[in-house]
Amino acid sequence: SAVISQKPSRDICQRGTSLTIQCQVDSQVTMMFWYRQQPGQSLTLIATANQGSEATYESGFVIDKFPISRPNLTFSTLTVSNMSPEDSSIYLCSVEVRLELNTEAFFGQGTRLTVV
Amino acid sequence: AQSVAQPEDQVNVAEGNPLTVKCTYSVSGNPYLFWYVQYPNRGLQFLLKYITGDNLVKGSYGFEAEFNKSQTSFHLKKPSALVSDSALYFCAVRDLMDSSYKLIFGSGTRLLVRP
Repeated sequence: SAVISQKPSRDICQRGTSLTIQCQVDSQVTMMFWYRQQPGQSLTLIATANQGSEATYESGFVIDKFPISRPNLTFSTLTVSNMSPEDSSIYLCSVEVRLELNTEAFFGQGTRLTVV
Repeated sequence: AQSVAQPEDQVNVAEGNPLTVKCTYSVSGNPYLFWYVQYPNRGLQFLLKYITGDNLVKGSYGFEAEFNKSQTSFHLKKPSALVSDSALYFCAVRDLMDSSYKLIFGSGTRLLVRP
């Protein structure tokens, strides 16, 4: 298994500012992802955080708005840039862990962001 | 393209009664199916998964799910609901041939168990 620590757990931010969310895993993992959960909605994949290279973004998400860092196999950051109220969401870090016969996804507790 | 449908926004059951939360999926290859639960102000917790083998999968907290290939369904079930089961439940799918490991989530179903 994997234990994921996300910081901050919640924040209230002014529009136009940026917030960086940290994700720390207790073991080395190859696959690391960032998801967004808008109020009352399901989870949507923002990007795959690649170690040593640029993140792979899903349709509708761009690097300028959601820059991602992945300096090593246990840590990643997601920045929400130039925030607007529409960015108010829960942001979740996820990792894929190799088990004996397959893989399994583990999620952090999430960061609840409110933009005012 | 992969997709997941959870047709019910909310399911209401009385404590002690059986519960079912529905999920249907669409993938181009073989599915890798999951159920997750989200309690208020908490992250996602893994409940169970199906890859291959027995169509009835048993998971955490007494939950189980049945994989039905012909109906492309993976409904979550529990024989006797508890008030503490009240939460938001997400079904998710991955195509086993997809090397990106991306999960596609359903819209979620809120389960309310009344005493």
